[in-house]
Amino acid sequence: GAVVSQHPSRVICKSGTSVKIECRSLDFQATTMFWYRQFPKQSLMLMATSNEGSKATYEQGVEKDKFLINHASLTLSTLTVTSAHPEDSSFYICSARDFRAQGAEAFFGQGTRLTVV
Amino acid sequence: DAKTTQPPSMDCAEGRAANLPCNHSTISGNEYVYWYRQIHSQGPQYIIHGLKNNETNEMASLIITEDRKSSTLILPHATLRDTAVYYCIVRTRDNYGQNFVFGPGTRLSVLP
Repeated sequence: GAVVSQHPSRVICKSGTSVKIECRSLDFQATTMFWYRQFPKQSLMLMATSNEGSKATYEQGVEKDKFLINHASLTLSTLTVTSAHPEDSSFYICSARDFRAQGAEAFFGQGTRLTVV
Repeated sequence: DAKTTQPPSMDCAEGRAANLPCNHSTISGNEYVYWYRQIHSQGPQYIIHGLKNNETNEMASLIITEDRKSSTLILPHATLRDTAVYYCIVRTRDNYGQNFVFGPGTRLSVLP
C-alpha cells in the first residue's frame, strides 16, 4: 500500500523554540494532507487540512499563527510549532489519501512525539 | 459521514478469533466502511475497507450485514501484537478534501 513518512519520530525542545515536522507521501502525490493531534488516552483530533499551493484550512480553536503549515510540493507538507509551550506536548500525526486506490483509503505517518520542556 | 458506534473495549485470547463489531445504522449508499488500528505510540494503520460485499485480506476479514447497518472486523488468529485501538470509520470514497474522523474506537487486548 501507499506509504506516508513522517519525521522526526520524536523531538524534545525547550519552551519558546520552534519545531518543524515533515510529512512525505513516498509513492503517490497528495494535493491534500491532514494534520492531527492526539493527547494521551484520547482519539485523533484534526488540526488542519494542508493544501498544495494554497493556504491551509484550520479547525476551530487551532491557532494558525502558532501551527504553521506549508505544502509546497505534491509530496511534502510541513507543520511548524512556533514558540512551543509545554501544553503543546502531544503526538502529531499526518495523513494523506491515495486516490489511486479503489477505496481511496487514507494512510498515516508514524507520528511525532513532541515534548516541550 | 455516518456515525459509528463501537464497544469501548474487548479482550481476546491469543490464537483465537477476535470479532470487533461496529454499528453504522445511518450509513448511506455510497459510503464505505473502513477499519484502522492504532498500536500504542504509532500512527493509525489501514486494515481493510468494504462497500457491501464481505472482504478479506492478509490482515483481516470484514463482514458487512445485508442492510449495511453494521459490520464486524475479524482477526482470525489474534496475536499479542494485535493489541491496539481499532477504529471503524464510515465515509464516501470521493470528497477529496475531507479527512477521516476518528471516534474513540475499541481497545482490543489480546491476552496470553
